[in-house]
Amino acid sequence: TQLLEQSPQFLSIQEGENLTVYCNSSSVFSSLQWYRQEPGEGPVLLVTVVTGGEVKKLKRLTFQFGDARKDSSLHITAAQPGDTGLYLCAGGGGSNYKLTFGKGTLLTVNP
Amino acid sequence: DADVTQTPRNRITKTGKRIMLECSQTKGHDRMYWYRQDPGLGLRLIYYSFDVKDINKGEISDGYSVSRQAQAKFSLSLESAIPNQTALYFCATSDPWQGETQYFGPGTRLLVL
Repeated sequence: TQLLEQSPQFLSIQEGENLTVYCNSSSVFSSLQWYRQEPGEGPVLLVTVVTGGEVKKLKRLTFQFGDARKDSSLHITAAQPGDTGLYLCAGGGGSNYKLTFGKGTLLTVNP
Repeated sequence: DADVTQTPRNRITKTGKRIMLECSQTKGHDRMYWYRQDPGLGLRLIYYSFDVKDINKGEISDGYSVSRQAQAKFSLSLESAIPNQTALYFCATSDPWQGETQYFGPGTRLLVL
């Protein structure tokens, strides 16, 4: 069974601070996706990384896939209240194209 | 209009009742999924379907059943609801030609008393 562990589980910071969220596994994934979920809504895809060592940037968000494709990180620069939400990582490449989800990091950015 | 819709958005029911949660999509995707989300447990897969004739159990299918009425419709039933089925339920779709990205509906919040 493939498992993804996310840390921290909760994070509360002030506007303007930087933060990093981690997603780790002992298993290799063919791809790693990051989703953001806002209250009352379903998760929405932010990015997919597929190559070991890959780095992708989405405005103030930087995503990295580990060289061994077992871990990933999400770094947010100068966080804003609009970044508040639940961040979920999901590993792909399992049987029948199912995704394995981490338990999520609940981020609160205070103004 | 939303591509993946779920009805109802909120539901309160009593222990032992049978209820159905419905999911419809206009994305034209063959693959559909049902998840439940609980605080601290993340998203857990209940059932998934890769086409109308293909239904598969996920990691927590006990107490649930599904029906794929058409490519666009995938329903989840709780045959006899119990309080520990209180959760947020999500439907999702995917297209293998678009990688493994899943597109989620807005969720159904279910409370079993």
